[in-house]
Amino acid sequence: AQTVTQSQPEMSVQEAETVTLSCTYDTSESNYYLFWYKQPPSRQMILVIRQEAYKQQNATENRFSVNFQKAAKSFSLKISDSQLGDTAMYFCAFMRRYGGSQGNLIFGKGTKLSVKP
Amino acid sequence: GAVVSQHPSRVICKSGTSVKIECRSLDFQATTMFWYRQFPKQSLMLMATSNEGSKATYEQGVEKDKFLINHASLTLSTLTVTSAHPEDSSFYICSARDLRRGYNEQFFGPGTRLTVL
Repeated sequence: AQTVTQSQPEMSVQEAETVTLSCTYDTSESNYYLFWYKQPPSRQMILVIRQEAYKQQNATENRFSVNFQKAAKSFSLKISDSQLGDTAMYFCAFMRRYGGSQGNLIFGKGTKLSVKP
Repeated sequence: GAVVSQHPSRVICKSGTSVKIECRSLDFQATTMFWYRQFPKQSLMLMATSNEGSKATYEQGVEKDKFLINHASLTLSTLTVTSAHPEDSSFYICSARDLRRGYNEQFFGPGTRLTVL
């Protein structure tokens, strides 16, 4: 079974600074997707960034980038130039690409990020 | 594009009654929809996977007779909490998958807060 671990329950960062959220996962699969989702106080889940395991290049989306280390099964999220609107819960998630339970998301427990002015 | 709605956003009911929550994909056809439960300050837990025209697949520990899921069309899935009790109070989130997009991204609804008195 796959597991996703986020070891930082809470983090804070000053506005305009950079913060990195950690995520590790455990799987025997070779083909999968990894995601970071943001859940602001409204509780609407928002996709931040996606990584396909077969791609070695780290995904980037504007101020958000990941450090994907497949061998180490690590998938950290870096937020640059933090903004007040980045305050939210951040969930790391795993999805199998093939086989049973394909398409099911397995979430970590989340990291609560607070951006301070 | 890829908007998912849920109705109602909030519902309060008396213990012993049944409550239906609707999940709709507004601008795409969703062959698969997912239902999650989220307790305060916790992660999302997958309850069941709903495929259009077939029976839902429930996760281990989820009572099928208590949480009835129907996916009657490509744009609508419903979750009925039968004989609700206070311990069923939670935040319920649905998501939908649009395979035409070529990858397994799930689009999330805004959630439904259920309070059972």
